[in-house]
Amino acid sequence: KAGVTQTPRYLIKTRGQQVTLSCSPISGHRSVSWYQQTPGQGLQFLFEYFSETQRNKGNFPGRFSGRQFSNSRSEMNVSTLELGDSALYLCASRREPSYNEQFFGPGTRLTVL
Amino acid sequence: SQQGEEDPQALSIQEGENATMNCSYKTSINNLQWYRQNSGRGLVHLILIRSNEREKHSGRLRVTLDTSKKSSSLLITASRAADTASYFCATGYNNNDMRFGAGTRLTVKP
Repeated sequence: KAGVTQTPRYLIKTRGQQVTLSCSPISGHRSVSWYQQTPGQGLQFLFEYFSETQRNKGNFPGRFSGRQFSNSRSEMNVSTLELGDSALYLCASRREPSYNEQFFGPGTRLTVL
Repeated sequence: SQQGEEDPQALSIQEGENATMNCSYKTSINNLQWYRQNSGRGLVHLILIRSNEREKHSGRLRVTLDTSKKSSSLLITASRAADTASYFCATGYNNNDMRFGAGTRLTVKP
């Protein structure tokens, strides 16, 4: 069974631009969560989608948004990029929110210049 | 905050020694999980312990949970250089939410 895939793996953007990251969950998994990881903050929860609906959201500004498609693939978008948005963005899937174990993708490394 | 907090932030030991990492949290949990992350990669699930359990083992891993102290520990016995990684605890709640701590960076020297 293929694991969680994320594209692109690396991205360089400049301040003010916007970016879209993509995540394909494990087949059969309908829940997708997004996390931002920075050296000083650890893993910060962004949001979780289940059956195309956002079921939970972390404490991030509205510049961070996401969506989930009917095939469970998910995208997250960051608009008006700031230098502080440079981070590793991790996507994780699980079959349903009631399933405890999350399976993580390799992440997208975003650098904002 | 619902996040767990790991302690220590960094740990350096010699191969063959045991490594102990701790996680504390503030609100009641349904379960607690430990994950490992190799440098710059995704996290890998190691072990889950439910709130009604006190200890679990998996290979060289031993996890304890003390709900009265709201804390958990992860023990890695007979550590190997390949255990070098960051270790995160994740607290799970009755509403199925999960939150991760900042992690412990473990270095095992050969």
